[in-house]
Amino acid sequence: AQSVTQLGSHVSVSEGALVLLRCNYSSSVPPYLFWYVQYPNQGLQLLLKYTSAATLVKGINGFEAEFKKSETSFHLTKPSAHMSDAAEYFCAVSIINTGANSKLTFGKGITLSVRP
Amino acid sequence: NAGVTQTPKFRVLKTGQSMTLLCAQDMNHEYMYWYRQDPGMGLRLIHYSVGEGTTAKGEVPDGYNVSRLKKQNFLLGLESAAPSQTSVYFCASSWPHPPRLAGANTGELFFGEGSRLTVL
Repeated sequence: AQSVTQLGSHVSVSEGALVLLRCNYSSSVPPYLFWYVQYPNQGLQLLLKYTSAATLVKGINGFEAEFKKSETSFHLTKPSAHMSDAAEYFCAVSIINTGANSKLTFGKGITLSVRP
Repeated sequence: NAGVTQTPKFRVLKTGQSMTLLCAQDMNHEYMYWYRQDPGMGLRLIHYSVGEGTTAKGEVPDGYNVSRLKKQNFLLGLESAAPSQTSVYFCASSWPHPPRLAGANTGELFFGEGSRLTVL
C-alpha cells in the first residue's frame, strides 16, 4: 500500500520569501505523485503532477516540485510567495498500473500562511 | 464546463435522519469517488466506483452507502446520521490509469466544490 507524509500542519512565510512544502511518499512500485491546492471554501485543484517523465515538474502559479526517488520525496517549492498563495496544500500518491484499484492516497495537508 | 457538481452544498441534519448527496460529472469519466475532509485528517476515501453499476469500499466506509446507477452520477447515502459524520464531503472523478485512451489523464482527480454536512 502507498502512503504520504506531510510533516507539520502549518507553514508561515513572508511575502516574497521562498515557499517549501515537504512531502515524502512510500510505495512499493513506481508512483504517480500530485500536489493539490485548496483555497478557502473551495474544492481541490491540481497544482502539478509527476507521471514518470521529467523529475522536475512545473505547475500553475509558479510552483514546481522535484521527484527524488533516492529520498522518496516530492517537495513543493515556489521562489517568491504571494499573498494569494495562502491555502491548504495536499500531496497525494497513486500507483502506476493498478488497474481497477486506481485511487489516490492523500497526505493530511499543510496550511500555508503568507505574511505581508 | 460544469465538471463535477455536488448537491446540496450545505445541509444540517438531526441524529438519526437520512440523506443523500448527489455527485454529477460531465467529463465521461469512468471512476468516481467520495471523500470526507476533517481538520487535521486530510481527505479520507469513503467509497469509490470504477464504472457504472460498480462500487467498492474505501478507507472509512462505515455508516455510508453508495450507488452508481448511471455513469455520470455517484450517490452517497447516510441512512442514520451521527454527529461523527459532520464533515465536508468531496466528490471526485477520473479516468483509470493506465489510460485507456491516448491523451487521457493519468489518475488525476477532478473535484467538486464540496458539501458541508452538520449532524446535530
